[in-house]
Amino acid sequence: DTAVSQTPKYLVTQMGNDKSIKCEQNLGHDTMYWYKQDSKKFLKIMFSYNNKELIINETVPNRFSPKSPDKAHLNLHINSLELGDSAVYFCASSSYGGQWRSPLHFGNGTRLTVT
Amino acid sequence: KNQVEQSPQSLIILEGKNCTLQCNYTVSPFSNLRWYKQDTGRGPVSLTIMTFSENTKSNGRYTATLDADTKQSSLHITASQLSDSASYICVVSAEEYGNKLVFGAGTILRVKS
Repeated sequence: DTAVSQTPKYLVTQMGNDKSIKCEQNLGHDTMYWYKQDSKKFLKIMFSYNNKELIINETVPNRFSPKSPDKAHLNLHINSLELGDSAVYFCASSSYGGQWRSPLHFGNGTRLTVT
Repeated sequence: KNQVEQSPQSLIILEGKNCTLQCNYTVSPFSNLRWYKQDTGRGPVSLTIMTFSENTKSNGRYTATLDADTKQSSLHITASQLSDSASYICVVSAEEYGNKLVFGAGTILRVKS
C-alpha cells in the first residue's frame, strides 16, 4: 500500500550502460516528478509530468529520458551512464496545482552508483 | 550561493529537549514555504506548508514560523523523540523561477537518549 513506489532501490552499474528506474503512485495524483539528490543533499527537479504531458524539463542531459505511459507511472531511462550520474533519484507526485500549491509525496529513492 | 540557507548544518540534542532550526531565503517573491522531514534512506515527508500571509503553522510537536519581511522561517520541535532524528529540509516556492521549488541542504538532527 506504498503511496509512491520506485524500483530498484539500489542500482550499481558501469559507465556507458543504459538503465531505467520505474515509479508508480497510487494516490490518484495527476502530476509526477523526478528529482535528483546530489552528494551535498540538495534536491533538484529534473522533470515534471501532468497527465502524461511533460511540463517541466530542466537543464538535464538528453541522455535522461522520462516516459509516462499513464498518469500513475513515470519512468526514467538513462543512456550512456557517466560517473557524475551517481546520485539518489527520487520520484514524487502531487495533486492538481503542481509543486507550488500541493505537498509533494516522495518515493524512497533509488541510489544509483556508476563505476 | 544557494537561495535557501539552513542552519545549523547539524545538531545533536537529548531526548525530551526542544530545538529550533533556521531557514533564510533570498528568493522573492515567493508563493509558499515548506518544511520536509527526511529519514535516512527514505524520501522527504511534508511537515508544513505556509503561504506568505501565514505566520505560524503547527503539526503535532512541530511548529513552523514565517517572517516574510525578513525572509526567515524556523521549525521548532517540542519534546524531541528519538524518531525525530532526520534531516529537515526547508523548501521555498519561488515565483522568479516559475514557481519551482528551491530546496535547502537541510539540517541533520540527531536525538540521543
